[in-house]
Amino acid sequence: DSGVTQTPKHLITATGQRVTLRCSPRSGDLSVYWYQQSLDQGLQFLIQYYNGEERAKGNILERFSAQQFPDLHSELNLSSLELGDSALYFCASSVEWDRASYEQYFGPGTRLTVT
Amino acid sequence: GENVEQHPSTLSVQEGDSAVIKCTYSDSASNYFPWYKQELGKGPQLIIDIRSNVGEKKDQRIAVTLNKTAKHFSLHITETQPEDSAVYFCAASISGNQFYFGTGTSLTVIP
Repeated sequence: DSGVTQTPKHLITATGQRVTLRCSPRSGDLSVYWYQQSLDQGLQFLIQYYNGEERAKGNILERFSAQQFPDLHSELNLSSLELGDSALYFCASSVEWDRASYEQYFGPGTRLTVT
Repeated sequence: GENVEQHPSTLSVQEGDSAVIKCTYSDSASNYFPWYKQELGKGPQLIIDIRSNVGEKKDQRIAVTLNKTAKHFSLHITETQPEDSAVYFCAASISGNQFYFGTGTSLTVIP
């Protein structure tokens, strides 16, 4: 158990809908990362937050957005869902980005199925 | 942006043998190279990492080597055991920002 929690575990929804995935980092971790894992794309970095602020952006679609709240939990919002958005979504947290401690700890993931 | 390539995509070894997985990266600014093990139905788990100021790092049966000039790094697992069977991912990052992952290696250790 990494200490990172993600909810829900599974999500099934229809095309065009909007969903919110939630992540709670390990206690004390200030940095949160979101990843998408699909069979044909591997692990793709989406976005990073540090202490409430966006720190880095990867291959995140405009239909997707994220935020990190004052209690450090983070949410990933996916809208206008398409079949191709079906994937595993992972959240990871790390200790202190600004103190050069880069080790990431991954949550168990949310499996999203768009029908 | 950074491009990380990983080989082989699948690897089968006999129990007790060694396994080697290789990755190359393109951005010379990358300075942090972690390796993750992912078991079925679980999230990736960090198993070892190396920074660009170090050429080799060992942790029991696992070692990682880095060649900055050639921009490649490798994972070595010695005395493999069935519980080492999993998918292994390499990654590259510039100071903890924007991690770029390889496409994964499915390792099977045959008892």
